[in-house]
Formats: sequence, structure tokens, C-alpha cells
Amino acid sequence: DTGVSQDPRHKITKRGQNVTFRCDPISEHNRLYWYRQTLGQGPEFLTYFQNEAQLEKSRLLSDRFSAERPKGSFSTLEIQRTEQGDSAMYLCASSSGRQDSEQFFGPGTRLTVL
Amino acid sequence: TQLLEQSPQFLSIQEGENLTVYCNSSSVFSSLQWYRQEPGEGPVLLVTVVTGGEVKKLKRLTFQFGDARKDSSLHITAAQPGDTGLYLCAGAGDSNYQLIWGAGTKLIIKP
Repeated sequence: DTGVSQDPRHKITKRGQNVTFRCDPISEHNRLYWYRQTLGQGPEFLTYFQNEAQLEKSRLLSDRFSAERPKGSFSTLEIQRTEQGDSAMYLCASSSGRQDSEQFFGPGTRLTVL
Repeated sequence: TQLLEQSPQFLSIQEGENLTVYCNSSSVFSSLQWYRQEPGEGPVLLVTVVTGGEVKKLKRLTFQFGDARKDSSLHITAAQPGDTGLYLCAGAGDSNYQLIWGAGTKLIIKP
């Protein structure tokens, strides 16, 4: 296990379709984060898991977005009824959970909604 | 609400020049991290600074955390084209899990 992995790396979909992304964190990390990033901007926090519990969800996240981490290992992020405004890079990060814990990012999934 | 302001937003310089990127806030952070991101990839952690006044060096990169832990700087000496990328700062604040992110500095080093 050399780092955080995400799948797929790229996704092109039509407006109204559902999409699901997967993140596999560093194996010993109990914290997992999802971010969204648009071109030239910093990451925007979406949601956070500690083990299997989803402890925080951004107010910016609409009801069309849902995330799970069923066994406290990998996580999925689903977007239902995609809109063109959902086009962005979706980043996953994990950390060990120490107070000043550093976050390690995956390569991201680039979503394009046509 | 904690905010981090990064400056400049964009910097394009010639190879061999020096540069400094700043990350400022009115809030105190328990630690601050610097990341570099290349197009189409996730951010890669460069360094974490924790103690006020701390200075860390990573080859030609020098990172400093302000004495009051409200600001930080990244100085690059003799920049090279391989330094090109988006540099992001992120602070650990009130929450022990959520980072406060700057908007990034897009750096281009021309050969």
C-alpha cells in the first residue's frame, strides 16, 4: 500500500445520470475526506469519515450527494442526477487521526458533465 | 470563520530567480501544511510547520511559520521549471480534523 488510490481517474457523463467514485485510503488511516476542486482553486471540503462514521458533511453538499464508508476502509461518493455545475475534480484524502494530522491525497477523479 | 489568504494568486518568473509565496490569516493555527499540485493530480504534501517561528528547508524550498502562528511563507531559491505547479497552504484550526485551505498560488517557471 503506497498511497491513496481513486477510481476512476476520469468520468464523462450526461446531465441527469448518476455517478459513483471510489477511494481506497492508506490502510492504517482511520480518517477519510472528500473534497471538490475547481480549476485554479483550493480544495473545497465535502465530507469526512472517522472509521465508518460520517462525522461531518458540508452545508454546500446537496441532497444529490451521498458518501459511504461501510467497513471503515474504502469509501464511495455518489452523485445523483448530475448537473453541469458538478463538473470538477473530486479528491479523496486520508489521515491517521492525530491532532495535527497531515492529509494524504489521491490522484483525484475528474468529472465532466455534458 | 477562519480564512487563509494566499498571495500572489499567480506568478510567472524566469528560471534561476527567487520567489516568495505568502499565506496569511487573522486566526491562529495549530499547524500549517504546504502542498504542491500538478495539473490532473492530487495535492502532494511538502511540509508541516507546527511551532511559531519554525523554519523548515526542503532543498531549495524554505518554509517559515510566523511567530504568532497566523501566517506562513514559502521561499524558493533559484527556481527551476520543475517547480511549476499550484502551491496550496492549509491550516489546522479550531477543528481537529478539518483543514482551512488557501486558494493557491499558480507558479510558472520559464526556462
